[in-house]
Amino acid sequence: AQKITQTQPGMFVQEKEAVTLDCTYDTSDQSYGLFWYKQPSSGEMIFLIYQGSYDEQNATEGRYSLNFQKARKSANLVISASQLGDSAMYFCAMRAMDTGRRALTFGSGTRLQVQP
Amino acid sequence: SQTIHQWPATLVQPVGSPLSLECTVEGTSNPNLYWYRQAAGRGLQLLFYSVGIGQISSEVPQNLSASRPQDRQFILSSKKLLLSDSGFYLCAWSVGSGSRDEQFFGPGTRLTVL
Repeated sequence: AQKITQTQPGMFVQEKEAVTLDCTYDTSDQSYGLFWYKQPSSGEMIFLIYQGSYDEQNATEGRYSLNFQKARKSANLVISASQLGDSAMYFCAMRAMDTGRRALTFGSGTRLQVQP
Repeated sequence: SQTIHQWPATLVQPVGSPLSLECTVEGTSNPNLYWYRQAAGRGLQLLFYSVGIGQISSEVPQNLSASRPQDRQFILSSKKLLLSDSGFYLCAWSVGSGSRDEQFFGPGTRLTVL
């Protein structure tokens, strides 16, 4: 079974500063993918970034980067130059591929509040 | 471009009443479709997923059911709602086959069972 752990229920960051949201995962699969989603107050889930278990480089998408440490089974999201619009819930998720299961397993989320 | 629709956006239903939530996807063929539920302040729990018409996999045994009568239509149903069915229901789609295959979510339906 797969498990995602997000230990920070809430985080505060000053506008224009960088922030790291923690995510650790547990799986026995060798092939897996890691995802981060953003959920603003409207409720929609917005895909941010993806990291494959065999990717050697850390993924980056604009102001988002994923600090992937495979040996530690961690996939932290780094948001640089925070903006007020970054205030939202952030979810880490995983798909383990060895069993062919297509669904994502989500963590409990971190609420980020960006302060002016 | 692809678009995913869900309706209704909000719903208030009495305990014991039936439920039907609909999800449709436009702009893609043969998508993988998913139903998730999010309880207040919690993460997402997968309820059902489908890789094709009539093919439904259930993740959590409960009083909900799902059907896929058409390629791009996914329906979540219940014959008798429970208080514990309250939550935010999200439909999602994907089309990949590898590990990436990111899922794209609809706007959600907020269900309150009284």
